[in-house]
Amino acid sequence: QVQLQESGPGLVKPSETLSLTCTVSGGSISSYFWSWIRQPPGEGLEWIGYIYDSGSTNYNPSLDSRVTISVDTSKNQFSLKLSSVTAADTAVYYCARYSNYGGNSGGWYFDLWGRGTLVTVSS
Amino acid sequence: EIVLTQSPGTLSLSPGERATLSCRASQNIKSNYLAWYQQKPGQAPRLLIYGASSRATGIPDRFSGSGSGTDLTLTISRLEPEDFAVYYCQQLETFGGGTKVEIK
Repeated sequence: QVQLQESGPGLVKPSETLSLTCTVSGGSISSYFWSWIRQPPGEGLEWIGYIYDSGSTNYNPSLDSRVTISVDTSKNQFSLKLSSVTAADTAVYYCARYSNYGGNSGGWYFDLWGRGTLVTVSS
Repeated sequence: EIVLTQSPGTLSLSPGERATLSCRASQNIKSNYLAWYQQKPGQAPRLLIYGASSRATGIPDRFSGSGSGTDLTLTISRLEPEDFAVYYCQQLETFGGGTKVEIK
């Protein structure tokens, strides 16, 4: 079955760039939207953005100026870069598949998730 | 931008009891765009309900979703020990703040 796995540094210094990669195994990254979602310790879920296999993206407006999501279909991976991080960016970062159920009249749901990786911003 | 407000923040119940969780949208939404997720400590969220009332693959039938317009509900008919968790509603890229179902 399809599985997602996040990887990247667990500690990032303030003002630097957070970089994470999500590897999709057991299936192709093609023909799906792929997303990053984060969760600060003890808080709720915040959508960061998503990318299609073509490379088209959509970002959370509150993070738009600092976020870049890219995809490498040859490696079955997609990546997140978040620049100029502060302590407020400390969170568990999840990658997830964003799927349409029901065609044009159906909704969009995060139906497959990675286990998540904790990224701490600290000097 | 739609805001999803979940209530109550915490629900204290005993195993075997019925749980009713609410998700209120700041404006009318297409009910078939709403989902519910379950998150246990240290785990990623899991899709439970999509399209407001359809159970995702492998989800037991004690979980049911209902509602339309601005008011959506997740009901757990009889709480099992493994159901004590945090539940989130979601519409497109927006999540509610979550409801924690804890053991009384």
